[in-house]
This record gives sequence, structure tokens and C-alpha cells, in this order.
Amino acid sequence: GENVEQHPSTLSVQEGDSAVIKCTYSDSASNYFPWYKQELGKGPQLIIDIRSNVGEKKDQRIAVTLNKTAKHFSLHITETQPEDSAVYFCAASKENTGRRALTFGSGTRLQVQP
Amino acid sequence: ETGVTQSPTHLIKTRGQQVTLRCSSQSGHNTVSWYQQALGQGPQFIFQYYREEENGRGNFPPRFSGLQFPNYSSELNVNALELDDSALYLCASSLADRGRETQYFGPGTRLLVL
Repeated sequence: GENVEQHPSTLSVQEGDSAVIKCTYSDSASNYFPWYKQELGKGPQLIIDIRSNVGEKKDQRIAVTLNKTAKHFSLHITETQPEDSAVYFCAASKENTGRRALTFGSGTRLQVQP
Repeated sequence: ETGVTQSPTHLIKTRGQQVTLRCSSQSGHNTVSWYQQALGQGPQFIFQYYREEENGRGNFPPRFSGLQFPNYSSELNVNALELDDSALYLCASSLADRGRETQYFGPGTRLLVL
């Protein structure tokens, strides 16, 4: 089955700096890669996703890049703010197949220092 | 807000008991997935229901079972509770449409087994 590895497990940055979180996946058939933000006591919130037919997607301060050859995708947050502090999860799945389960990474705890 | 609700928010049970957790999906969503999130880990896929039929199961024993109803609600049932079942249980609602699917999570039910 699919295996998703996520690094780093914790990340501390100064407000205004950029943050980068990296994930690798094992199943070359995976074609959908969402990123979720989870705040304390809440469920995961989708912040951005990318499908395998594109290499990069951007939404304001957040961007995701995908390298299908290396089976690697990354989340980039620019101009970080204290409210960006949370746990971030990457995930992978195979859309348009019988089983569309998300396989998650182990999470990155991002701390933005004011 | 994702429009996905779960009840109850918290629950305490003792080992050997049975529990039913409930989820209300977004209107029109034909798929619900359930995940177990242990403390400090990423969510793990339990199973998925598509149009009221089970559509894939993760590495969980048969004492984890589910139902999906026509009114966009669903249940997760766990029999013979074990201490290791203590976790946050998340449901995710999605619409499988033309090969694309985005999962939106509820706030979760935190289960403690004593």
C-alpha cells in the first residue's frame, strides 16, 4: 500500500519568514495530493491540493509543488503569521479508482514566533 | 466551516463496551470516509462508504463497522472496545464526481476507553 513520509516533524520560524514542509510517497499510481491544517481540538482543514497533471499550484501565501518523477511534493508558506501556527498534514490518494482513501503523513507542527 | 458535523464531541467508555459515533455529511455528498487519529499521529483510514455500500477498508478488524444512510448521515460502530481504541475519530464527506474527489473533515469525536 501507499506510504507517505513527512519532514520535518517540527518547524519554528519567525513571523514573516517562509516555511517549507516536504513529503514523499511510495505509490507511483497516486495522483491527488491535498494538504490539511489542523488546529488544536479541531478536524483537519483543507488548505490546498494538487493533482498529478500539474507541477505547481498557488493560493495567496500558500503554494504546493509536485515532482512526480521523484515522488515528492512540498508545501510552501510565505510571509508566515502567528495564526499559521498549527499541525500540517500532507496526504496522497488515487482518484478515479475504486478505493479513494487518503494516506496521511505523520504531520509537521509549525510554530510561528511573533 | 466544512458543513460536516459529528456527535458526540467527547465520549468515555470502558473496555469491552460498544460505541456508536455519528456523522452528518454535506448535502449532496455521496461518499463518507472514517479515520482514526491517535494522539500525535496522522489520521489512519478505517473505511469508506459510497452510495451506502462499503467501498474499501483499511487495516482495521471487523469489530469496526459502519453504515451510510440516504439522508447524508453515517455511523461508525466499534464493538468490544480496547484501550488502544482511544483516539480522535474523524469523518470526511466528499462528492465523487468525474474522477475527482475532495474530502472535507468534521471536527471529530474524541473517544477515551478506560
